[in-house]
Amino acid sequence: QLVESGGALVQPGGSLRLSCAASGFTFRNYEMNWVRQVPGKGLEWVSFMTGSGSLIYYGDSVRGRFTISRDNVKNSLYLQMNSLRVEDTAVYYCARAEAGSLCDLWGRGTLVTVSS
Amino acid sequence: ESVLTQSPGTLSLSPGERATLSCRASQSVRGNYLAWYQQRPGQSPRLLISDASSRATGIPDRFNGSGSGTDFTLTISRLEPEDFAVYHCQQYGSSPATWTFGQGTKVEI
Repeated sequence: QLVESGGALVQPGGSLRLSCAASGFTFRNYEMNWVRQVPGKGLEWVSFMTGSGSLIYYGDSVRGRFTISRDNVKNSLYLQMNSLRVEDTAVYYCARAEAGSLCDLWGRGTLVTVSS
Repeated sequence: ESVLTQSPGTLSLSPGERATLSCRASQSVRGNYLAWYQQRPGQSPRLLISDASSRATGIPDRFNGSGSGTDFTLTISRLEPEDFAVYHCQQYGSSPATWTFGQGTKVEI
């Protein structure tokens, strides 16, 4: 199971940290992704991290502003989002990777709204 | 960046009918690393198909994926009421530059 938290209303230029609590599997053995979805629209891959944290990727639209991290002791994945823009408004999903960005387990998502 | 284009945008069908969804890539999908997800209203996506044609665990055999190169198809042989949802295709090759989703196809009654 994956449970996201931390979504909120934030002003443009602000920051937010999302969390994802994992349970029911050996978290450290899995690569993880963040994927977002503007309500009513398609999915957009955001970021990827290997189980050890040794390899990280970001989508072009968030590189330099967002930072993915994980704590394998706490079985948690994080997404630090800085310099937020209106276009970052979306539901953010935490998703377990079967391979790369292929996701075989998804959380329910947390809503981030960037608005003044 | 390789773009995935899904068609049609909306498919209006009845239970028991066959649904055929298309996903076309602007560049050839290496290794046929193409997946399909189902997203029911108010729910998160669920993996249906990976590697273009391999059903995920627990997915009924009425869901079939096919295709290669740039043209891929998801076929639902006989629509059940729970199949009315949005379907997303995704490529997930070795390069993150190729990690993109299509815009989705809604299958409605």
